[in-house]
Amino acid sequence: DQQVKQNSPSLSVQEGRISILNCDYTNSMFDYFLWYKKYPAEGPTFLISISSIKDKNEDGRFTVFLNKSAKHLSLHIVPSQPGDSAVYFCAASGNGGSQGNLIFGKGTKLSVKP
Amino acid sequence: KAGVTQTPRYLIKTRGQQVTLSCSPISGHRSVSWYQQTPGQGLQFLFEYFSETQRNKGNFPGRFSGRQFSNSRSEMNVSTLELGDSALYLCASTLTTQETQYFGPGTRLLVL
Repeated sequence: DQQVKQNSPSLSVQEGRISILNCDYTNSMFDYFLWYKKYPAEGPTFLISISSIKDKNEDGRFTVFLNKSAKHLSLHIVPSQPGDSAVYFCAASGNGGSQGNLIFGKGTKLSVKP
Repeated sequence: KAGVTQTPRYLIKTRGQQVTLSCSPISGHRSVSWYQQTPGQGLQFLFEYFSETQRNKGNFPGRFSGRQFSNSRSEMNVSTLELGDSALYLCASTLTTQETQYFGPGTRLLVL
């Protein structure tokens, strides 16, 4: 049973536009959420995170929104750039911030077209 | 500061063999976690070690085992390899368990 779901395997966006990547979770005990970006032949790279006590966290062009009642989070990238093309993984933790055993979604492949 | 290193980067084995993968964390990091990435299942947590002790274990059969040494380097072992064990094995390290994980490039294992 998948506890973290990324229902869109792929997303294509025009350069300069907004990219919105979505993630749903089922376990209400999750209290910390992260987004990772992965390029081919490299390990995932941490992008941004959010604690369950917040509903928004922003870092430059990246903003993560958390809707606890809907068990849904989203990553907004504005403006999108061709270098953002990668696979994005949503991850969750339910250990009070401990990140040693993250539960990952299956990823969404983002393509940003020039 | 050097990142997480994993050796070997690529490996080909045959069914029934066993394999050992190595991970060297970022200098000073004491927590090491292992994940398996496959196209169908995404990234799945294998184990987490902190100061040579296994803190958590994912839902994998006993053929998958690991350990951490006093210098924080970690190894994972898979015995009696199956075709389904073909995957990218990723190691991640953190200074403590409460901080962001930094991933290595992974070891790609192919089981024939």
